[in-house]
Amino acid sequence: DAGVIQSPRHEVTEMGQEVTLRCKPISGHDYLFWYRQTMMRGLELLIYFNNNVPIDDSGMPEDRFSAKMPNASFSTLKIQPSEPRDSAVYFCASSPTGAHQPQHFGDGTRLSIL
Amino acid sequence: GESVGLHLPTLSVQEGDNSIINCAYSNSASDYFIWYKQESGKGPQFIIDIRSNMDKRQGQRVTVLLNKTVKHLSLQIAATQPGDSAVYFCAETHTGKLIFGQGTTLQVKP
Repeated sequence: DAGVIQSPRHEVTEMGQEVTLRCKPISGHDYLFWYRQTMMRGLELLIYFNNNVPIDDSGMPEDRFSAKMPNASFSTLKIQPSEPRDSAVYFCASSPTGAHQPQHFGDGTRLSIL
Repeated sequence: GESVGLHLPTLSVQEGDNSIINCAYSNSASDYFIWYKQESGKGPQFIIDIRSNMDKRQGQRVTVLLNKTVKHLSLQIAATQPGDSAVYFCAETHTGKLIFGQGTTLQVKP
């Protein structure tokens, strides 16, 4: 079975540019999560969706970050404009239900903002 | 506030020995706990989970123990193998939002 698929795996861009990260969750999973991982702060939840609807975006750092889920099989996380402090590994995860089911993670996008 | 923390940043064990990775949590309302393994360049991989109505759960070579009295979680790996070398995270939730600990690096010596 295909797991969570993220693209691109690596992204290097200059500050000020727009960055779009993509995620395809596991088919049939109703919940989708976006995380950011850094050495300093560990794994942080940015936002999550239930049935394509954003439920909690309290982890989104600031207005430069936005996320969408236009359908059950696709989500994007966009940063505009990007800054060097946005450099991190961004993970997407999905789960069948929200509360008491393990989340399954993709292999992440390593983002470097120069 | 909520926090989930790991006691040791790095654990080094001999191949074949048993490993124990510990985790403390602060929110007594947490009712679901997960252990993840993360290898370099990959996403966290689900290992085992446990609900708060249980004290122990076993998988293949792994056991999770939950002590709600002292808010402590542990992961035991039997007969540790080189392939077990990774960073291990505990996570807890009572709202559906997972809160992750900082992680423990497990190094397996041949």
